[in-house]
Amino acid sequence: KNQVEQSPQSLIILEGKNCTLQCNYTVSPFSNLRWYKQDTGRGPVSLTIMTFSENTKSNGRYTATLDADTKQSSLHITASQLSDSASYICVVSSGGSYIPTFGRGTSLIVHP
Amino acid sequence: DAGVIQSPRHEVTEMGQEVTLRCKPISGHDYLFWYRQTMMRGLELLIYFNNNVPIDDSGMPEDRFSAKMPNASFSTLKIQPSEPRDSAVYFCASSLKGQGARNTIYFGEGSWLTVV
Repeated sequence: KNQVEQSPQSLIILEGKNCTLQCNYTVSPFSNLRWYKQDTGRGPVSLTIMTFSENTKSNGRYTATLDADTKQSSLHITASQLSDSASYICVVSSGGSYIPTFGRGTSLIVHP
Repeated sequence: DAGVIQSPRHEVTEMGQEVTLRCKPISGHDYLFWYRQTMMRGLELLIYFNNNVPIDDSGMPEDRFSAKMPNASFSTLKIQPSEPRDSAVYFCASSLKGQGARNTIYFGEGSWLTVV
């Protein structure tokens, strides 16, 4: 069964600090992995999309990594800001279908 | 671009009533998705369309749920009759080439449904 597990479930950090969110998946065959940011009361917004051959992709202060061998991805946030407070969702799509598998998300709170 | 537009943003209805959620995708996008998000289950894909044709509705929870896309600029998700367990946020999203390709999926702001 395809699964996406995210950790930690929630995280509280101080403004200016860095943090790393984890995503482990068992989706097969692998097509792509996406990280979304979802602000409270809003729809998810795409941060990065990574395919099998990509190890790292950056979007401003957000850097996603992918290890297709261990089926792990991480999202690193540098110099966190209050606006980074949100839920971060990892989504993995299978090459065999268009149906994605969603993680439950990591809730990040950045305190001043 | 106005993005994906959903209506209503919030709806409170009584159990047994019919609920219709509406979506206008981004112009030119040929894929449209309906998702449901709850605290218990997170985000779930209910159904998706390609060029107005339903491709996979395996995520639709039961026969009380139906979705249509009569044209490229409009889709509806209908729940009849509604039940309290249908309370959730329903998102519509659209993209140019679906979810298997390296393309961005754009979500609407969601329709917050409460069934009492």
